[in-house]
Amino acid sequence: GAVVSQHPSWVICKSGTSVKIECRSLDFQATTMFWYRQFPKQSLMLMATSNEGSKATYEQGVEKDKFLINHASLTLSTLTVTSAHPEDSSFYICSASRGGAKDTQYFGPGTRLTVL
Amino acid sequence: AQKITQTQPGMFVQEKEAVTLDCTYDTSDQSYGLFWYKQPSSGEMIFLIYQGSYDEQNATEGRYSLNFQKARKSANLVISASQLGDSAMYFCAMREGRRGYSGAGSYQLTFGKGTKLSVIP
Repeated sequence: GAVVSQHPSWVICKSGTSVKIECRSLDFQATTMFWYRQFPKQSLMLMATSNEGSKATYEQGVEKDKFLINHASLTLSTLTVTSAHPEDSSFYICSASRGGAKDTQYFGPGTRLTVL
Repeated sequence: AQKITQTQPGMFVQEKEAVTLDCTYDTSDQSYGLFWYKQPSSGEMIFLIYQGSYDEQNATEGRYSLNFQKARKSANLVISASQLGDSAMYFCAMREGRRGYSGAGSYQLTFGKGTKLSVIP
């Protein structure tokens, strides 16, 4: 159990376009989903936290108008990178948690975004 | 100050040997959780093991065990009988606060910088 999918696994787009990344918890209901960004050879950097039905909480320095997060249901969250630029190229990875005593986050396989 | 410190950027271990990956943490919370994740070259973060601050025994999951020393604020991961497939990045993470929490939603994780483990045949 605790499987999280992410789609697409990779995407190449032109500068100025928008890209949507989906994160789904396949076999559990996630009270909270998290979005991270990871640069090569670095650790994960939390971008935002979202709870179903409420607005996402963004970390300091993350532009909420550029990285739109929608948490429409207990099994689906989407991250839209609007007007993407080459500096947005990165590995984006989501996680989902069902709460509980351990409150473990289960991660999706990640999406590699390349903006030309 | 860093909340999670992993002092070993890279480690090598011979196949079938045991290896310890270090992790120290800093928190003033009494209730917290410690996690280890494995990230192979494919990029997916795989949950390995969890230790709660109130757990009296060290956590174990198959070949993984967590050497939890609360007074020293360390939570080292021990991998026994290393396999070639264990070659990956390993991240230690901490979640602060949870015990008695009854609200909706989950707490954030703070990650260390990771340790790259290479298993030598």
